[in-house]
Formats: sequence, structure tokens, C-alpha cells
Amino acid sequence: GENVEQHPSTLSVQEGDSAVIKCTYSDSASNYFPWYKQELGKGPQLIIDIRSNVGEKKDQRIAVTLNKTAKHFSLHITETQPEDSAVYFCAASSNTGKLIFGQGTTLQVKP
Amino acid sequence: GAVVSQHPSWVICKSGTSVKIECRSLDFQATTMFWYRQFPKQSLMLMATSNEGSKATYEQGVEKDKFLINHASLTLSTLTVTSAHPEDSSFYICSARGTVSYNEQFFGPGTRLTVL
Repeated sequence: GENVEQHPSTLSVQEGDSAVIKCTYSDSASNYFPWYKQELGKGPQLIIDIRSNVGEKKDQRIAVTLNKTAKHFSLHITETQPEDSAVYFCAASSNTGKLIFGQGTTLQVKP
Repeated sequence: GAVVSQHPSWVICKSGTSVKIECRSLDFQATTMFWYRQFPKQSLMLMATSNEGSKATYEQGVEKDKFLINHASLTLSTLTVTSAHPEDSSFYICSARGTVSYNEQFFGPGTRLTVL
């Protein structure tokens, strides 16, 4: 069935450094790839998304890249800040509209 | 825009009782709503998909008689956990999809259910 693998499961960086989280999806029909940030006790918040007709998208310190051939997509956060500390989830969706989530990455930004 | 609310934000109940969780889209019409369950330190697992006016579609392994879903209007869906047991304790999150973007889902803040 459809599957999304996310790595690493935990990531610790110094404030100001960059953080990269990678995901791989199995369903070649996937065409929408959102990234969510979830803080403790809260629902997921969409931070950036990309569609299959685009290879890269950037929003200030956050960027996402997509390699459809390899079925990989990645989240890049530059100039990390302590408030970036949270759990990040990638997801993939096809025309079914259902989101398949990765396992999550706990990002810790040390001041 | 695209705000989704859930009520209650947390609930504690005794084993054997039923609990209803509401999910509302506040500023848009949600043709489809999704219900997820999230256990501690785990990812979101889709439980069911509900379309307004139709029966919900449940994911494999989710008991439809235990998790009753009603999507009676374009702004409200409810999840009722019937005869709750301690193993049903979890974080329940809904999301809503409007008519503009087929894939994009807007998530609610979640409901923490604790069954004693």
C-alpha cells in the first residue's frame, strides 16, 4: 500500500544552523506534498507544500524540494531558531485526497 | 481564513461511557472531513473520511460501530467514541477540505481523550 518514510526521527542542531528532513513516498500517483509542524498538544500546522509540477518552493527560511523520479522530497530550514523546535511531519497525497503521513521528526534547536 | 475548531479540547470519561467530539469549519464549507488518531510520539493515523450527507468511509482496522461519524452539514462533523475503554485514550484530530483545493486539508487543534 501507500507508504511515506521520513528520516531522521530526531534532529538536533545549533541555533543558526540549517536542518534538513527527508521523505520518500511509494505511490507514483502522489501529486501533493505538504509539510506540517506540530507543537506539543496541538494540531498540525501547514508550513509549506509543493505540487508535483514544481521542483522547488521557498518561503523565507523554509524550502521544499521534490524529486519525482526518485520519489523523494525534502524540507530545508535555514537559520534555525529555538522556536523552530517541534515535531515535523511530511505527507503525500494523490487524487484520492487522503494524506499519508511520515513518521515524524523531532527537531531540537539548541540556543 | 480556513480555520477549523474542535470541541472539547480535552475530555476525561469513565470506561463504558460514550464521548462526542465536534469538528467545525469556521469560515469555509467543508465538503469532506477527515478524522485522525494520534498516540504519543507517533504519527497521525487516518481513521475515516466523511463527506457531507454521506456515510463515512472507514480505514481498515477501524471499527465503524465504535467510532460513529456524522457529517450532517458543510461545517460540522462529529465523532462519537462509543463504550470507550482505556485503550481508546488518544489525541483525536479532525481536518477539513474545502472546494478550492482538492488535496489541501486544514487541521483542527485536536481533542485529548482520556478514558479511566
